[in-house]
Amino acid sequence: GESVGLHLPTLSVQEGDNSIINCAYSNSASDYFIWYKQESGKGPQFIIDIRSNMDKRQGQRVTVLLNKTVKHLSLQIAATQPGDSAVYFCAERVSNNDMRFGAGTRLTVKP
Amino acid sequence: DTEVTQTPKHLVMGMTNKKSLKCEQHMGHRAMYWYKQKAKKPPELMFVYSYEKLSINESVPSRFSPECPNSSLLNLHLHALQPEDSALYLCASSQDTGGGREAFFGQGTRLTVV
Repeated sequence: GESVGLHLPTLSVQEGDNSIINCAYSNSASDYFIWYKQESGKGPQFIIDIRSNMDKRQGQRVTVLLNKTVKHLSLQIAATQPGDSAVYFCAERVSNNDMRFGAGTRLTVKP
Repeated sequence: DTEVTQTPKHLVMGMTNKKSLKCEQHMGHRAMYWYKQKAKKPPELMFVYSYEKLSINESVPSRFSPECPNSSLLNLHLHALQPEDSALYLCASSQDTGGGREAFFGQGTRLTVV
């Protein structure tokens, strides 16, 4: 079936640099996308979301970009900090309560 | 209160045991979810309740039995599990309709089947 996936399983960046985490999705019916951060031993934590009628949304130090033409989603983290080290998942909401996760990217921030 | 509370945090059970996982939220959310997460994998959707009715069952084996006693509570009853069922079980909740449809997750129950 259709699924959400990620290009890179791991990403290592230097503290202070910007990070970009990518996600490809294939379900054209999805109208809502979410980025989650999961730290070891914890549940996923909401970071930012975007609806399909938008192409960019900004939060505090984070920006999500949506390119519906190529079905691509990205999460940009500015001035990455050691506390940003975690696994990041994109998720798509296919219908009202059907939320599916992509494979995840492990972000490691080097001091 | 933006918390989803799951109990217990850890559970070890034998293959002949019966146990239950519990989840509670007081955000007035009307959609509640169970996900299963294996190590280094994304959460996999198991069940969704909408307004206390089961709306999605992802072909989960019958040894997992969900229950939604009221709008704040969600249970997952476990019986005759297999060692491969060992995983982190995550509960989440969200508004069923309207804006702000992100799901809030609990910390999970780490289940080990021996």
